[in-house]
Amino acid sequence: DGGITQSPKYLFRKEGQNVTLSCEQNLNHDAMYWYRQDPGQGLRLIYYSQIVNDFQKGDIAEGYSVSREKKESFPLTVTSAQKNPTAFYLCASRRTSGQETQYFGPGTRLLVL
Amino acid sequence: GENVEQHPSTLSVQEGDSAVIKCTYSDSASNYFPWYKQELGKGPQLIIDIRSNVGEKKDQRIAVTLNKTAKHFSLHITETQPEDSAVYFCAASRWDTDKLIFGTGTRLQVFP
Repeated sequence: DGGITQSPKYLFRKEGQNVTLSCEQNLNHDAMYWYRQDPGQGLRLIYYSQIVNDFQKGDIAEGYSVSREKKESFPLTVTSAQKNPTAFYLCASRRTSGQETQYFGPGTRLLVL
Repeated sequence: GENVEQHPSTLSVQEGDSAVIKCTYSDSASNYFPWYKQELGKGPQLIIDIRSNVGEKKDQRIAVTLNKTAKHFSLHITETQPEDSAVYFCAASRWDTDKLIFGTGTRLQVFP
């Protein structure tokens, strides 16, 4: 069963805590993306990676960090520096040959205790 | 920078009626325009896309039109059904970037 998986579905963060959201894809896609979605809002780009061991900041990278050690994995860490982390986080991926579209995972909802 | 405006923000229609959602983009070099449907608590799903060398594309009850001169593109849903109720996002990208620029979304409600 091919696709993009995100875990966990729900995640709770305590004050001052770092948390990591998982994103895995078995589509052999080169590029991967992280978006943040606030209630009733659109998608804002946090970070993206076009190739293993390389990534670029998106529009709202402050308070977040990523790594891309493997082609199929692109974890996102929400650090304690992110003061308003409550949101729905979406991971996406796409092939970079030609202008292919992005495909999204099911999302992780992060809540602050 | 690139900007995509989407209207309306909410749209209510009766089952069986048509629905139209419109987007305007700012970067004339944009050449790829996907549309996504997002159901509550789920990730967006691609429903149709169009490239700048085509003016219209249709897939069963949904169609997309593109006016490059006016920098407008629209999603048309005919014979709407309650299961069409969701948030719809348009997006645009240029051939030389890896980023999609998203509109702010339209919440479509189809009443039985």
